[in-house]
Amino acid sequence: GESVGLHLPTLSVQEGDNSIINCAYSNSASDYFIWYKQESGKGPQFIIDIRSNMDKRQGQRVTVLLNKTVKHLSLQIAATQPGDSAVYFCAEKSMDNFNKFYFGSGTKLNVKP
Amino acid sequence: DVKVTQSSRYLVKRTGEKVFLECVQDMDHENMFWYRQDPGLGLRLIYFSYDVKMKEKGDIPEGYSVSREKKERFSLILESASTNQTSMYLCASSRLAGLYEQYFGPGTRLTVT
Repeated sequence: GESVGLHLPTLSVQEGDNSIINCAYSNSASDYFIWYKQESGKGPQFIIDIRSNMDKRQGQRVTVLLNKTVKHLSLQIAATQPGDSAVYFCAEKSMDNFNKFYFGSGTKLNVKP
Repeated sequence: DVKVTQSSRYLVKRTGEKVFLECVQDMDHENMFWYRQDPGLGLRLIYFSYDVKMKEKGDIPEGYSVSREKKERFSLILESASTNQTSMYLCASSRLAGLYEQYFGPGTRLTVT
């Protein structure tokens, strides 16, 4: 089956710096990816998504990059704020298994004031 | 504002008890999902449903069953709770097909003693 993983379990950054969270996936057939943010005691919250026909997508202060050659996904957060402190994880879905997402285990982002 | 609600935020049950976790969504979504989330393991799919009275096993269905009698409601049942079912349980919903995100509820933290 697919596996989705994260390189770093914990990331600490200074307030105002940029953050980069990485994710590796193993299923080359995956064609849709999402980044979720999960704050303590809450359910995951959608941040941004990207389809496999794109390599970059930007939102408000966030950018997702997709490198299909090495099966790598990253989330960039600009000017990180204390409210960004949370666990971030990626999810992938493939068209041959359209109802199922596979999730990474998450990276905890700590923003130091 | 889309919403997925779960019946309890915290639940403590004894080994052998039958446990019901309820999930309701107000977005008229066809798909509904139950996951469990454990540290270091990410979200693992227990069951999902793509229509009323329809259900599909996920990756870890053993010890669980589900019920979908109405489109907006998806119940997870632990027939005989065991301590290894202590976990965070997350419900999600999404549109039927295509590249659509899943919306999550706040989660139920279940402790089985």
